[in-house]
Amino acid sequence: NAGVTQTPKFQVLKTGQSMTLQCAQDMNHNSMYWYRQDPGMGLRLIYYSASEGTTDKGEVPNGYNVSRLNKREFSLRLESAAPSQTSVYFCASILVAGGHREQFFGPGTRLTVL
Amino acid sequence: KNQVEQSPQSLIILEGKNCTLQCNYTVSPFSNLRWYKQDTGRGPVSLTIMTFSENTKSNGRYTATLDADTKQSSLHITASQLSDSASYICVVSAPYSGGGADGLTFGKGTHLIIQP
Repeated sequence: NAGVTQTPKFQVLKTGQSMTLQCAQDMNHNSMYWYRQDPGMGLRLIYYSASEGTTDKGEVPNGYNVSRLNKREFSLRLESAAPSQTSVYFCASILVAGGHREQFFGPGTRLTVL
Repeated sequence: KNQVEQSPQSLIILEGKNCTLQCNYTVSPFSNLRWYKQDTGRGPVSLTIMTFSENTKSNGRYTATLDADTKQSSLHITASQLSDSASYICVVSAPYSGGGADGLTFGKGTHLIIQP
């Protein structure tokens, strides 16, 4: 089991460029999430997908789009990158057991926008 | 508004010493509280989960406590090791309602540095 994988690990973009962050999980979880983590801000939810075919906005969705390609994959797209989107991005999937949720996080993508 | 406050923001201790990290929350209704450890350059990994009826739970040298009445939790690390250097994040969950993102409230974390 690879768990949650993310690509790329690092990326540098110029303002206005676009890119897609990829995320995949092999644990057969229904729900998947995208977070960004900034110094002093903690983890903030960008978008989530409760199940295949559904996506919803989180706390900070502006400037991002997502696609739940299938049960395994959930991608995050920046259409026109801005310096304010410099951050570390984490994808997570959720295991629901005994009424409790446990999030499994990927290793993160460190994005710099110049 | 649901909030999770962690203290201290950062902490430096010598290897072999003990330390305690705090988490206070205002989340209601409450389902559980989970502590995550995040090593530098990696994603968070779950350490312990505390439900309403649990006061103490241990995972090796990590011991978590929960006081549901005062809405406080602590994470105690015994005989610290260099590998304990990390950020520790407290996450409080409301009862699960079917896959939505509602009800997961994150603290900003405590950054712990263990010095040799």
